[in-house]
Formats: sequence, structure tokens, C-alpha cells
Amino acid sequence: DTGVSQDPRHKITKRGQNVTFRCDPISEHNRLYWYRQTLGQGPEFLTYFQNEAQLEKSRLLSDRFSAERPKGSFSTLEIQRTEQGDSAMYLCASSLGVTSGSEEQFFGPGTRLTVL
Amino acid sequence: AQSVAQPEDQVNVAEGNPLTVKCTYSVSGNPYLFWYVQYPNRGLQFLLKYITGDNLVKGSYGFEAEFNKSQTSFHLKKPSALVSDSALYFCAVSAPNQGGKLIFGQGTELSVKP
Repeated sequence: DTGVSQDPRHKITKRGQNVTFRCDPISEHNRLYWYRQTLGQGPEFLTYFQNEAQLEKSRLLSDRFSAERPKGSFSTLEIQRTEQGDSAMYLCASSLGVTSGSEEQFFGPGTRLTVL
Repeated sequence: AQSVAQPEDQVNVAEGNPLTVKCTYSVSGNPYLFWYVQYPNRGLQFLLKYITGDNLVKGSYGFEAEFNKSQTSFHLKKPSALVSDSALYFCAVSAPNQGGKLIFGQGTELSVKP
């Protein structure tokens, strides 16, 4: 399968613990995005990378959140000191990244985080 | 600020009838507009997009959408609905030169009954 993959698919953690999610984009895609989706809402933009450079972070991304994309390949999203409000589906998407933003994004299946 | 509105939480249609899922947007400049579909326990799938040119764009699974600049709308349509079209539909917008980040509407649940 050459689509976007995310790991793990589900994560249950206790409040205050740290969690890390991984996203593997489509191999030739230069842009990688992270979104968060809560029940009954559309996905909300968190951050994106052009190759290894993180170019924008949403104000939703508090200082407990950090994302990396070393070597411009896979990406990780870490949440430190998790709170119950962090419970959501975390979506990763990728695109070719060669235009000003008109390309469609390909989404992974998501990581569902539950904070107890 | 950019925003997308999907005024209907749910749309119910009988199989074989035409369907419309509504979307309006607010963005500075010329927008890029997208429709995605989300089936249960599956990721978002791209349906179609409007970049420029012909206001009527055709996409996957027989869906099409009409861009109306004066009404700032981008409604999704299909001439004849199938039960298998039942899913959650999201409209999204991105602004030029902003890295392609998508602003999504809240979604519309489409239910097609036999």
C-alpha cells in the first residue's frame, strides 16, 4: 500500500503522560500536514512541513505539542503532559507540495487518542 | 479570516434522486475549494477540487460541484444518489500562497435510503 500510514491507530493514555504519533507520507510528497478532528467537527489544521522545514503552526498547537520531520520523510507529533481535552483523532496528510497550495491532500487513517 | 460553512448537519435522500450538499466559504483572494468524503473507520478521501476555469467540476464516483463566486458557494451534487454514497462529507478551502493548509467545514452527514 502506497498511501499515507499512521501509527498507532489507537492510543489510550492517562492524563499527564506523554504520547508520540508517527506519520509516513506518500514517498514523493514534499508537504506533510497534521490536523486534529473532534467528534462532530471538521478537521482543524495544526501544522505543516515543506520537506524538513516546519513552516506554520496553528495557535491550537500549544507548547505541549511538538512536531518534527527529520530528513523530510516521516513525521512525529508529540504531546507532553496530556490533558483530557487532547482526546481527538489526529490526522496526517501529504501532498506533492510543488504549487502554491492547489494540490489535493491524501489523508492517513488517523490516530485516535483517548486521555483518561 | 478564512471560514467554511456547511449549513446542513444532515441530508436525507432517496436512492435514485438527485442530491445536493451545500457549502459556502469566506476567504481573501481567489480560493481553492475541495470536497472530501469520510466513510466510517476510514480516512478522508478526496472527491474533487476547484482551482480555476470552468465553474462546474467533475470528480470521483459521479460527483460534481459548482463554483459560484458571487454567492461564495461550492455545492456538491450528484444526479442520482446511491445507498453507498451514505457518508460524512466535508467542504474545505485553502488560500493561495499559504502552503495549502485546509480550512474545513463541520461536515454534512448524507443518508441515502433505498
